[in-house]
Amino acid sequence: AQTVTQSQPEMSVQEAETVTLSCTYDTSESNYYLFWYKQPPSRQMILVIRQEAYKQQNATENRFSVNFQKAAKSFSLKISDSQLGDTAMYFCACSGTYKYIFGTGTRLKVLA
Amino acid sequence: NAGVTQTPKFQVLKTGQSMTLQCAQDMNHNSMYWYRQDPGMGLRLIYYSASEGTTDKGEVPNGYNVSRLNKREFSLRLESAAPSQTSVYFCASVDRLNSPLHFGNGTRLTVT
Repeated sequence: AQTVTQSQPEMSVQEAETVTLSCTYDTSESNYYLFWYKQPPSRQMILVIRQEAYKQQNATENRFSVNFQKAAKSFSLKISDSQLGDTAMYFCACSGTYKYIFGTGTRLKVLA
Repeated sequence: NAGVTQTPKFQVLKTGQSMTLQCAQDMNHNSMYWYRQDPGMGLRLIYYSASEGTTDKGEVPNGYNVSRLNKREFSLRLESAAPSQTSVYFCASVDRLNSPLHFGNGTRLTVT
């Protein structure tokens, strides 16, 4: 069974600053991937970043990067130079054996 | 290219009524998923179909049935709606295991 835990229901950050969203997971799969999705008020689900569990190198996508600690089963998302458009719900997810399991989400507000 | 299309966008049901949520994808994806999103609960997997002709239970299957009609379409049926099924429902699809999910825009269902 897979579980994904996001322990920060809400966070806020000043525009242009850096914020880190936490995620821990548990899985019995040996081949799995981890994802961060963004859900703005429009309700659309947007892929932010993906990490292959077999890769030690942390994934980066422009201002978004992850800190993947496989032994600790931790997968945090760092957003640098935060922008007002980053205001959204952020969901962490883990895939394996066709199941994609999501966490409960972190609501991020970027303050002007 | 429409991606994943869900119908309807909004629906109000009375307790005990039945309805089917429709989902279709035009990306030739093999696997399809139904999730529900509730405040504080994140996205929870209801059912999924790893490939045409197969369906499997997710985390919260009770009260729902699904049909993988063909490779494109995956429907979710509520036989006797209950207020606890008030939620936003998302359909998603993926071409192969561990690739990112592609989501529809969701259906907001209210059961009174």
